Amino acid sequence: DQQVKQNSPSLSVQEGRISILNCDYTNSMFDYFLWYKKYPAEGPTFLISISSIKDKNEDGRFTVFLNKSAKHLSLHIVPSQPGDSAVYFCAASTGNNRKLIWGLGTSLGVNP
Amino acid sequence: KAGVTQTPRYLIKTRGQQVTLSCSPISGHRSVSWYQQTPGQGLQFLFEYFSETQRNKGNFPGRFSGRQFSNSRSEMNVSTLELGDSALYLCASRAGTVGELFFGEGSRLTVL
Repeated sequence: DQQVKQNSPSLSVQEGRISILNCDYTNSMFDYFLWYKKYPAEGPTFLISISSIKDKNEDGRFTVFLNKSAKHLSLHIVPSQPGDSAVYFCAASTGNNRKLIWGLGTSLGVNP
Repeated sequence: KAGVTQTPRYLIKTRGQQVTLSCSPISGHRSVSWYQQTPGQGLQFLFEYFSETQRNKGNFPGRFSGRQFSNSRSEMNVSTLELGDSALYLCASRAGTVGELFFGEGSRLTVL
C-alpha cells in the first residue's frame, strides 16, 4: 500500500518554463513533507520541506504547495534549467519516530 | 564538513554469500538510516539507528540486519544473498531524530 504516490513517472519541460511535480498522500496524520532530488549514481539531496501548519514554502526557484484537504502537495520549479534534470522524490513523515515514507519518484527532463 | 561516506561503492557477490556495507555519518550526527533503492520500488526503508539503538525498522526479512557503533558509524549486513537483493543501498544521517536526511552516494550491490 503506497501511502505516498507520485503518479507521473516522468515529466519533460522546456528550459525557462515552469516544472510542476505532484505528490499525493493517503495518511492524514502526515505532518511534515520533504522533496529530494537525485542524480544518477548519487544519493538524494534535500531540496525543500513544508510543515502541515503551512500551505506554501519558497526557496529561490523552488516552491512547495500543500493542500491538506486534498492530501496533495506540489513542487514548482521556476524557471526550469537543464541542471534540474533529475529524479525528484516526495517524502512524508508523522509522529515522534519521524520515519520517512517515500514516493517512487518522478524523472524530470528539462530540454534546452 | 565531510558528508556521509559509504564503502564500498561497488561490489559483486554471488547468491548465498553475505555482504557488509559501511556508513560513516556526518560528524556530530547520531542518527543513521539505511534504504534500498531499486528501479521499480523507489526508496525502501530498511532501518534507522540512533545512539546505537534501532529506532525503526522497515518490512525486510531477517536476512537484513544492521548495527551502530558508539562513534555513530553504522554497518548493514545481508546474509544468504538473493538475486533480488541487487540494488543501490543508501545510508543517510541526521543530527537528531527529526529533520532532513543527508545521504551518501550509496553502495551498488550486484548479486550474480
